[in-house]
Amino acid sequence: AQSVAQPEDQVNVAEGNPLTVKCTYSVSGNPYLFWYVQYPNRGLQFLLKYITGDNLVKGSYGFEAEFNKSQTSFHLKKPSALVSDSALYFCAVRRANFGNEKLTFGTGTRLTIIP
Amino acid sequence: DTGVSQDPRHKITKRGQNVTFRCDPISEHNRLYWYRQTLGQGPEFLTYFQNEAQLEKSRLLSDRFSAERPKGSFSTLEIQRTEQGDSAMYLCASSSTSGSSYEQYFGPGTRLTVT
Repeated sequence: AQSVAQPEDQVNVAEGNPLTVKCTYSVSGNPYLFWYVQYPNRGLQFLLKYITGDNLVKGSYGFEAEFNKSQTSFHLKKPSALVSDSALYFCAVRRANFGNEKLTFGTGTRLTIIP
Repeated sequence: DTGVSQDPRHKITKRGQNVTFRCDPISEHNRLYWYRQTLGQGPEFLTYFQNEAQLEKSRLLSDRFSAERPKGSFSTLEIQRTEQGDSAMYLCASSSTSGSSYEQYFGPGTRLTVT
């Protein structure tokens, strides 16, 4: 079985400050990890992924995430938050096996950037 | 690349009626996925296709649900004898098996309301 925990339903950050959205996962074997963002009345947009290699991955809109195998975490980060970053963020995991395509998502974290 | 499209965007139906949703994936993508998202939750996997073959179905997909992808292009998801518990956002996603692309790209979703 695979699962994702996003421990914070809501994160508030002042504009210009660094932001972190937390994610921990559970999966048998090696994980593939993803972050998606959802704006109101729109579908999920892919932000970044960890497949293999460097533990720090960079994605769209200045976001990055750090894979930590020992802590089974994949926290999303950005050095300087923008008001336009306000949205719902989802972490997702799947097993790194060919043929295992199912993504398991967390319950989401609502990020609000305060001007 | 026009992205994943879904039709209709909204559907209101009475309990007991049948509904059908359509998904058109990104044109070169051979994998297609259906997910369901309820308020306050992350998307939950329902089923996926590689070309026209349906390779995995979730236990969430009861006998009232059926999905097809007859020519390996667009897909339909039918719900028979709808129930109020079927009210949700139904998301379609697609991905490619070529190269190092592991991420799934999502459509805008079809919001179903069962009255």
